[in-house]
Amino acid sequence: EAEVAQSPRYKITEKSQAVAFWCDPISGHATLYWYRQILGQGPELLVQFQDESVVDDSQLPKDRFSAERLKGVDSTLKIQPAELGDSAMYLCASRKTLLAGVVYFGPGTRLTVL
Amino acid sequence: TQLLEQSPQFLSIQEGENLTVYCNSSSVFSSLQWYRQEPGEGPVLLVTVVTGGEVKKLKRLTFQFGDARKDSSLHITAAQPGDTGLYLCAGDNNDMRFGAGTRLTVKP
Repeated sequence: EAEVAQSPRYKITEKSQAVAFWCDPISGHATLYWYRQILGQGPELLVQFQDESVVDDSQLPKDRFSAERLKGVDSTLKIQPAELGDSAMYLCASRKTLLAGVVYFGPGTRLTVL
Repeated sequence: TQLLEQSPQFLSIQEGENLTVYCNSSSVFSSLQWYRQEPGEGPVLLVTVVTGGEVKKLKRLTFQFGDARKDSSLHITAAQPGDTGLYLCAGDNNDMRFGAGTRLTVKP
């Protein structure tokens, strides 16, 4: 069964360092989401792509966060510089296209900022 | 502020009991999804409800979508320890917005 892949699974970094997370959605899925989930809370949408285009990044802290999906397939989420409050689970999800199909989540990347 | 409000936030019950958790919003959704999430893992889809008033059953789980497509409930009959987890609802209007979740613990 196809899965959404994420790496790394765990990342420990010091504040002010740069970190990057990678996501490979299910093949053929045009829509890709990045979420941040702080412990004890629900996932918060950071950015949504349709193919290579950003559909919604209104909740992305653009002073330090960036996301790209250059070829409309895999995607990278970057934080520079990392802050203590960025410690969270970063989840990637994909679906066939907007408003269509099941949304599948990857296993997430657990980020700890020291 | 969450777009969807889930209640209760925490629920601890004994095996065999019934329970209902709620997901409420002031927004209308094209569809609403329920997920269960285990610690350290991504959410796993349980069900999607699309039509106002729709009821779906998944073994001991019954999901209902409100007539106005703004709210939903999840009822579990005869809960088992394996039902323990974080239950999340998500409203779908192109973007997928989640509630804060209900953390359920079922004690043997």
